[in-house]
Amino acid sequence: DIVMTQSPDSLAVSLGERATINCKSSQSVFYSSNNRNFLAWYQQRLGQPPKLLIYWASTRESGVPDRFSGSGSGTDFTLTISSLQAEDVAVYYCQQYYSTPWTFGQGTKVEIK
Amino acid sequence: QVQLQESGPGLVKPSETLSLTCSVSGGSISDYYWSWIRQPPGRGLEWIAYIYDSGTTNTNPSLRSRVTISTDTSKNQVSLKLTSVTAADTAFYYCARGGGRVLAGRFDFWGQGTLVTVSS
Repeated sequence: DIVMTQSPDSLAVSLGERATINCKSSQSVFYSSNNRNFLAWYQQRLGQPPKLLIYWASTRESGVPDRFSGSGSGTDFTLTISSLQAEDVAVYYCQQYYSTPWTFGQGTKVEIK
Repeated sequence: QVQLQESGPGLVKPSETLSLTCSVSGGSISDYYWSWIRQPPGRGLEWIAYIYDSGTTNTNPSLRSRVTISTDTSKNQVSLKLTSVTAADTAFYYCARGGGRVLAGRFDFWGQGTLVTVSS
């Protein structure tokens, strides 16, 4: 299984400031035949199901605000919230869909400082 | 807009079988991958299994011997059965839609989830 490890486990950021979440996979999730990283990011607000934010490591899902961006390749990835808003308080998960069993990171809790 | 709704018993006794149904509206279940994912309260997400085209399935090896996933295309439903449950199977269970083949594991629509508690 590919193990996904996120850091930090939690972070507190002031409104309007940048939040950065890291995700590392135990093996590469880059598929050379289509030049894609099989990596997604989800947001889970309290009491809600996860919501897809980013896929292919950097493609924003339709309707997701552009303050959310994803970057990275191979085994190291980052989710950045450029200007934290109150509604961004949530747990964020990275997930690899390169190979089954598809696996998630342990989650990063983002709070307001 | 695609909508998913999980249903099933909220309480299951140890050693019995957990059975859940995901009803899909706003689109056909054909041509997409459908997964079940679970989340113990306060913890992280675990992918359980997927089904595609009513017959192609793949299950997490950690659960393989206990899981059956199936579809009823006439009802536009996806079902999950998990046998021999223990307290460790207590979790919110979500159904989720994957994309086409290369996006099978990218979950763009999720149900609200249903909490299943395993207890006598």
